[in-house]
Amino acid sequence: QKEVEQNSGPLSVPEGAIASLNCTYSDRGSQSFFWYRQYSGKSPELIMSIYSNGDKEDGRFTAQLNKASQYVSLLIRDSQPSDSATYLCAVMLVPGKSTFGDGTTLTVKP
Amino acid sequence: DVKVTQSSRYLVKRTGEKVFLECVQDMDHENMFWYRQDPGLGLRLIYFSYDVKMKEKGDIPEGYSVSREKKERFSLILESASTNQTSMYLCASSLGDRVISYGYTFGSGTRLTVV
Repeated sequence: QKEVEQNSGPLSVPEGAIASLNCTYSDRGSQSFFWYRQYSGKSPELIMSIYSNGDKEDGRFTAQLNKASQYVSLLIRDSQPSDSATYLCAVMLVPGKSTFGDGTTLTVKP
Repeated sequence: DVKVTQSSRYLVKRTGEKVFLECVQDMDHENMFWYRQDPGLGLRLIYFSYDVKMKEKGDIPEGYSVSREKKERFSLILESASTNQTSMYLCASSLGDRVISYGYTFGSGTRLTVV
């Protein structure tokens, strides 16, 4: 079993819709969770961090964490074509050291 | 803005060469990391460092070494390059806080081709 698993994708949504990206992790001791966005040919960029159960909102992005279910998700509201990218989930068990999922590629169609 | 600078965007090296990949960050981050990214395999951790002179093996350290003589600089060394080390290499840094774990800032990457 992989330590961090994401929907294999690709995920396609129409412009203006909500995109939902999911991630599960295997180690219950994981403490910190991150979402990165990676445009084609570019390096990953941190977009959200979440540390406690519940929702965290930042603009059109909402991260949701459920430690009991070992599940973290990213919702993108009012999706735009510029949101088309690969989204990487990262989980931190050891302080400072992240393990990444393989990513989910999102396409937002105009 | 934190900047993580990798010295080369593209590199082509011959099999058996010793290869140095340099990474410099300008925001006094304690933690630095080297990952490689390959299609279908995702991001895999090679080495990381929590402080000057410190280094820790990641998940795939074989064939690599690192050096951190100064806080801002973290070098990845391929002792004898092989074709299976052809990859995108990404350097990252983060604050080292004992209470809060921070996310990473990545460099723009070095695409290394070993022929």
